[in-house]
Amino acid sequence: KAGVTQTPRYLIKTRGQQVTLSCSPISGHRSVSWYQQTPGQGLQFLFEYFSETQRNKGNFPGRFSGRQFSNSRSEMNVSTLELGDSALYLCASRSGSQETQYFGPGTRLLVL
Amino acid sequence: KNEVEQSPQNLTAQEGEFITINCSYSVGISALHWLQQHPGGGIVSLFMLSSGKKKHGRLIATINIQEKHSSLHITASHPRDSAVYICAATTNTDKLIFGTGTRLQVFP
Repeated sequence: KAGVTQTPRYLIKTRGQQVTLSCSPISGHRSVSWYQQTPGQGLQFLFEYFSETQRNKGNFPGRFSGRQFSNSRSEMNVSTLELGDSALYLCASRSGSQETQYFGPGTRLLVL
Repeated sequence: KNEVEQSPQNLTAQEGEFITINCSYSVGISALHWLQQHPGGGIVSLFMLSSGKKKHGRLIATINIQEKHSSLHITASHPRDSAVYICAATTNTDKLIFGTGTRLQVFP
């Protein structure tokens, strides 16, 4: 089985722009979670989608949003980018609530 | 205070040494995870456990629910074990919260 894939792998944007990141889960996995990793804050949970519905949400501002499609692929959008949004964005998929999460390679976003 | 605390933050070892990384948590959890992150960012899930002990090769993870404490042990450490090890907890509301990580360097 192919692993979790994320596109793009690297991205450079400027303040005020918006960005969309994509995550394709492992085949058969219906849950996709998104995480932000920064040197200062470490890993933080953004949100989780299951069967096209947001099931859980972390403490991030409304500029961070996501969605999931019927094929379980998920996108994350960040609007009005700020310098502090520079981070590694990771997604992970799992087959069910009590199952292991499998992480993608991440998208490294740099906001200038 | 973080809800998931790890120690030590940094660890260096000689090849062959026995290594222990500790994790304490202060929230109700349904599962405890140990993750490994190599330079470049990729994260691999090593263990998910809710009680007792699990072993995979040279890695052993234990959890004590009453004491809210987990440990990751690496026996016969090797330079390829050099990575950041992250403890994470699935809360009772099904969110994943993370420790700050332990950076391990194993020298030949």
